[in-house]
Parts: sequence; structure tokens; C-alpha cells
Amino acid sequence: DTGVSQDPRHKITKRGQNVTFRCDPISEHNRLYWYRQTLGQGPEFLTYFQNEAQLEKSRLLSDRFSAERPKGSFSTLEIQRTEQGDSAMYLCASSSGDRGYEQYFGPGTRLTVT
Amino acid sequence: AQSVAQPEDQVNVAEGNPLTVKCTYSVSGNPYLFWYVQYPNRGLQFLLKYITGDNLVKGSYGFEAEFNKSQTSFHLKKPSALVSDSALYFCAVRDMTRAGTASKLTFGTGTRLQVTL
Repeated sequence: DTGVSQDPRHKITKRGQNVTFRCDPISEHNRLYWYRQTLGQGPEFLTYFQNEAQLEKSRLLSDRFSAERPKGSFSTLEIQRTEQGDSAMYLCASSSGDRGYEQYFGPGTRLTVT
Repeated sequence: AQSVAQPEDQVNVAEGNPLTVKCTYSVSGNPYLFWYVQYPNRGLQFLLKYITGDNLVKGSYGFEAEFNKSQTSFHLKKPSALVSDSALYFCAVRDMTRAGTASKLTFGTGTRLQVTL
């Protein structure tokens, strides 16, 4: 399967701990997106990379959140000093172009902060 | 700002009957419109999109959607529903004419489709 993969699929952490998620996009896709989805809601945009450049960040992305895509391939999303409100599904998506190109989503990482 | 409304939390339909899942959108310019489906414990799967051209677009699994610019709608349809179509459906929009922050998709809150025998 050459789709978008995410690791881990599930993460349980205690409040105040740091967590890091990884996303591997479809190999020929140069655009990568992170979204967050809470129960009963649609995905909300967090940030966007074109190759290794982070071009767009949502106001949802507080200072505790940081994302990287060091070589324009895989990406990591780190949350520092987790809070219970960070509990959500974190989705990664990739696309081969902008605007009119569909985004392909990974299975997500479900974060539970206790 | 761009937004999407899915007015129905749930749609119930009997297998074999036609289904419609409603979506209306708001953008300042012209829209790119998408439908995604989400099965339990899985990511979103792309179904279809409207970019330009024919207002009726066809997608995966027999689904189609009709773009109506005057009503700012993009309803998802299928002529004959299957039990296996039961899932959560999301409509999404992107403003094609905005520069800079035009990359993100804005999603609706989703509509749960329940198809019964």
C-alpha cells in the first residue's frame, strides 16, 4: 500500500508530557497537511508544507505545537506540555498539487491526554 | 472566510432507494468542492470533486454530486443506496481565487448516512 501512513495510531499520555507524531506522505506528493478532528466535528486545518517549507499555519496551532518536514518527505508534529484539550484525532494528508488537487488522508493518530 | 454547512446530522435511507446528502458553502471567490467519506477508525477517503466544467460530477462507488452556483450547493447523490455506504460523509471547500492562504480545505461537520435493509 502506497497511501499516507501515520505513526503511532494511538497515543495515551499524561497531561504535561510531550508527544510527537509522524506522517509519511504518498511518495510523489510534495504538499503535506496536518488537520485535527474532534468528536462530532469535521477536520480543522493546522498547517501546510510545500516540500520542506511550512507555508501556512492556523491560529489553532498554539506555541506548544510545532511541525517539521526536514527533507521534504516525512513530517513530524510535536505537542509540548500536552493539555486535556489536545485530545483529538490528528490527521495527515498529502497532495501532488495545490488548490484543485484532492488531498489524500492517512488513518490518523488518536491522542488521549489523561 | 470560507465555510461549509451540512444541515443534516444524519440521513436514513433504505437499501435500493436514492440518497442525497446536502452541502452548502460560502466563499468569497469561486470554489473548489470536495466530498470525503470516513469509515470507523479510518481516515477520510476522497470520493469526488468539482473544479470547473460540468455541474454534475461522478466519483467513486457510484456517487455523484451536483454543483449549483446560484444556490451555493454541492449535494452528494447516489441512485441506489447500499448498506455498505453507511458511513460519515464530509463536504469540503477551498477558495480557488484567494492567494496566499488558499491551500487549506474547510470541512463541514459531517453527515452520518445510515442505510438499512
